[in-house]
Amino acid sequence: SQELEQSPQSLIVQEGKNLTINCTSSKTLYGLYWYKQKYGEGLIFLMMLQKGGEEKSHEKITAKLDEKKQQSSLHITASQPSHAGIYLCGADFQGGSEKLVFGKGTKLTVNP
Amino acid sequence: NAGVTQTPKFQVLKTGQSMTLQCAQDMNHNSMYWYRQDPGMGLRLIYYSASEGTTDKGEVPNGYNVSRLNKREFSLRLESAAPSQTSVYFCASSLAAGATKPQHFGDGTRLSIL
Repeated sequence: SQELEQSPQSLIVQEGKNLTINCTSSKTLYGLYWYKQKYGEGLIFLMMLQKGGEEKSHEKITAKLDEKKQQSSLHITASQPSHAGIYLCGADFQGGSEKLVFGKGTKLTVNP
Repeated sequence: NAGVTQTPKFQVLKTGQSMTLQCAQDMNHNSMYWYRQDPGMGLRLIYYSASEGTTDKGEVPNGYNVSRLNKREFSLRLESAAPSQTSVYFCASSLAAGATKPQHFGDGTRLSIL
């Protein structure tokens, strides 16, 4: 959806490098979800952000929601081949809505 | 714990054939969803069910019907398949609607329509 833009579309990094993926909204985010998808598999839930300025971490992955609640970033520190996959952000624009709007995804390749 | 189970995993149909995609969850979730994923389009919501006995249209409902058979099961039916419905279909479930309730996804059904 054009309401939610992810950048970059694809990313190739060398193992051990840090990287950042962005998710930008045209509207205020009531909730922002990050998922990871491996080829041929379903989406795995990573983190959820709700409050402006909120930051969460899971292992070497950190996600932030900016103060204005219109942009989120996903940062991976010291990337590993296991981090490879497609990262998708999903947005709740209505607060408590059933309908999540997803970005088109960022394909991450990590070369050993 | 199986989570969300989709069957079949792969299917090839001819134009005009009908088919039902099955989805079951064992997490006692109230809400269930059907998405399709296409290259360059991302995930798009087809239908969802907030609770047993209710269903609502999502972003791309045309050509599909759904049934929430019980709390566990939510099926997606293509009555007369068209090549434009070639896609990967994902079922998801969540405890309830709301920003604090992440959706959990199945592994998908890869559907090709010739």
